Amino acid sequence: NAGVTQTPKFRVLKTGQSMTLLCAQDMNHEYMYWYRQDPGMGLRLIHYSVGEGTTAKGEVPDGYNVSRLKKQNFLLGLESAAPSQTSVYFCASSPRPGTGGYEQYFGPGTRLTVT
Amino acid sequence: QKEVEQDPGPLSVPEGAIVSLNCTYSNSAFQYFMWYRQYSRKGPELLMYTYSSGNKEDGRFTAQVDKSSKYISLFIRDSQPSDSATYLCAMEAGNNRKLIWGLGTSLAVNP
Repeated sequence: NAGVTQTPKFRVLKTGQSMTLLCAQDMNHEYMYWYRQDPGMGLRLIHYSVGEGTTAKGEVPDGYNVSRLKKQNFLLGLESAAPSQTSVYFCASSPRPGTGGYEQYFGPGTRLTVT
Repeated sequence: QKEVEQDPGPLSVPEGAIVSLNCTYSNSAFQYFMWYRQYSRKGPELLMYTYSSGNKEDGRFTAQVDKSSKYISLFIRDSQPSDSATYLCAMEAGNNRKLIWGLGTSLAVNP
């Protein structure tokens, strides 16, 4: 089991460019999440999904879009990158209620720099 | 006031010391409590998971929940340099699958 994987691991973008971060999980988890982590700010939830074909806004959704076309994949898109989006992005997954607890399992992260 | 408060440290201890890490919270509906460990430039990994009040032990780690005081603790016995990491607490009320996170405490265990 690979668990939760994220691609790419690193990326440098220029202001205004777009990109997509890919998250994949092989644990058959229903719930998936995208966070950003910044010094002094902790983990902040961007968007999440409670199942294939569903998405919902988290705490800091502006400037990001997501899609969950397949249960195992959760994509995070930046349409027009801004320097304020320089951060480390983590994807996480969690099992369906009743089949597991409320714990979340994290990927290794993507370090994004926007210049 | 944040829902979950956690002293960011840094905390520096000698090898072999007992470490106590703590979080306080304000939402009495929280029932599920987790501790994550995050090494530098890595993703958080689940360390301990407890439901409601009480203690849970796993090797050198003990998680404690005091719901009456809205206070959770993680104790590390016989701390090792490999325990040097940031420790994050997280909790959930059991109704929306979204965790509320502390900011994390940075721990350094010195040989």
